[in-house]
Amino acid sequence: DGGITQSPKYLFRKEGQNVTLSCEQNLNHDAMYWYRQDPGQGLRLIYYSQIVNDFQKGDIAEGYSVSREKKESFPLTVTSAQKNPTAFYLCATAGVGINTDTQYFGPGTRLTVL
Amino acid sequence: DQQVKQNSPSLSVQEGRISILNCDYTNSMFDYFLWYKKYPAEGPTFLISISSIKDKNEDGRFTVFLNKSAKHLSLHIVPSQPGDSAVYFCAASGQTSYDKVIFGPGTSLSVIP
Repeated sequence: DGGITQSPKYLFRKEGQNVTLSCEQNLNHDAMYWYRQDPGQGLRLIYYSQIVNDFQKGDIAEGYSVSREKKESFPLTVTSAQKNPTAFYLCATAGVGINTDTQYFGPGTRLTVL
Repeated sequence: DQQVKQNSPSLSVQEGRISILNCDYTNSMFDYFLWYKKYPAEGPTFLISISSIKDKNEDGRFTVFLNKSAKHLSLHIVPSQPGDSAVYFCAASGQTSYDKVIFGPGTSLSVIP
């Protein structure tokens, strides 16, 4: 099955703990993205990666970290420095090149910090 | 400063009628525009896109119109169906995938049976 997998769908953590959200894709897409959605708000870009072993900060990178060791995987770590981590996290992928900006999204992970 | 704006947070339409969702942008360098549909607790799904060289793109019940001089685009859904009830995000980007895609805040559409 081709697609983007995010696991788990629901995640609960205690305040002060780091947590890593998984994103895996088998679409052979070069670019991968992490977004955060809060109630009543749009999608805000956390980090993105256009190529393996390279990534850039998005608009709200503080308190988050990523790695891109493999093309298929782009895990996001929500650290204890993130002041308001409870949110719905979305991973997306895209091909690279002119007019291939269409991003395809995974099902999302709902993170709740207690 | 929001580069992509969707000024209507919500919209209600009767089943069978036309739904018109609006989007405005401020960056004249945007070259490619997309609409996504999102159900609660799911990832957004790509719906339709338009390049700046066109002013209209149609796909079944969905049509996107682009007015570059006004920096405005709209999504028309005809006829609207209850299953269309979702949040719709407008998005814009530059000429290549190396430009970030900027999403608007979304419009929640309710289609009333």
